[in-house]
Amino acid sequence: QVQLHESGPGLLRPSETLSLTCAVSGSSISSDYYWAWIRQPPGKGLEWIGHVYSPGPAFYNPSLWHRAILSVDSSKNQFSLNLTSVTAADTAVYYCARLRDSDQGLFDFWGQGTLVTVSS
Amino acid sequence: DIQMTQSPSSLSASVGDRVTITCQASQEIGTSLNWYQQKPGKAPKVVIHDASYLETGVPSRFAGSGSGTYFTFTISNLQSEDIATYYCQQYNDFHLLSFGGGTKLEI
Repeated sequence: QVQLHESGPGLLRPSETLSLTCAVSGSSISSDYYWAWIRQPPGKGLEWIGHVYSPGPAFYNPSLWHRAILSVDSSKNQFSLNLTSVTAADTAVYYCARLRDSDQGLFDFWGQGTLVTVSS
Repeated sequence: DIQMTQSPSSLSASVGDRVTITCQASQEIGTSLNWYQQKPGKAPKVVIHDASYLETGVPSRFAGSGSGTYFTFTISNLQSEDIATYYCQQYNDFHLLSFGGGTKLEI
């Protein structure tokens, strides 16, 4: 069974950099899937952050104004999100997910989500 | 960017009802649309893929239809366990994915 698990700090100060890691088991991160981050502000809807293919480019939501960087560590079978210059608007539950290819574009497995709060 | 507009944003129904949610794309997306169910405190789960295909293990009371810019998601014979928020998601632009705003279903 495929499992994903997010980890990272739960509390950040404004202007800091958010760093989250998603550990993947049951699926090779170098297989024919993409790996994605999605977030959900409290009480609001889902927002796609970006996705990455190993090896390959990453694609990002332009609303993040180039603050996001996705990377893959094949040796550890995990991938990461770095989000710079965070503000209160970045407070959200962050999910990592496996994304099927462009023929299906489906997030088929998700982590349980991790709450990140940005506050001074 | 492809904007996805869902309606209604919330919906109250009774057990046994038939409920319908709509999702409209700002441009043609063929059938490149998925539907997810999210229960409180949980990650979303795919219900329908490719606009009308039921994900394995999902009850047959769920159905999706549509193509182009207009899509519908229907639950027949609503059950109490169907209480959730439902989201559509387009992948026609695979490099710029997007979700609808969600529909909160209450009983």
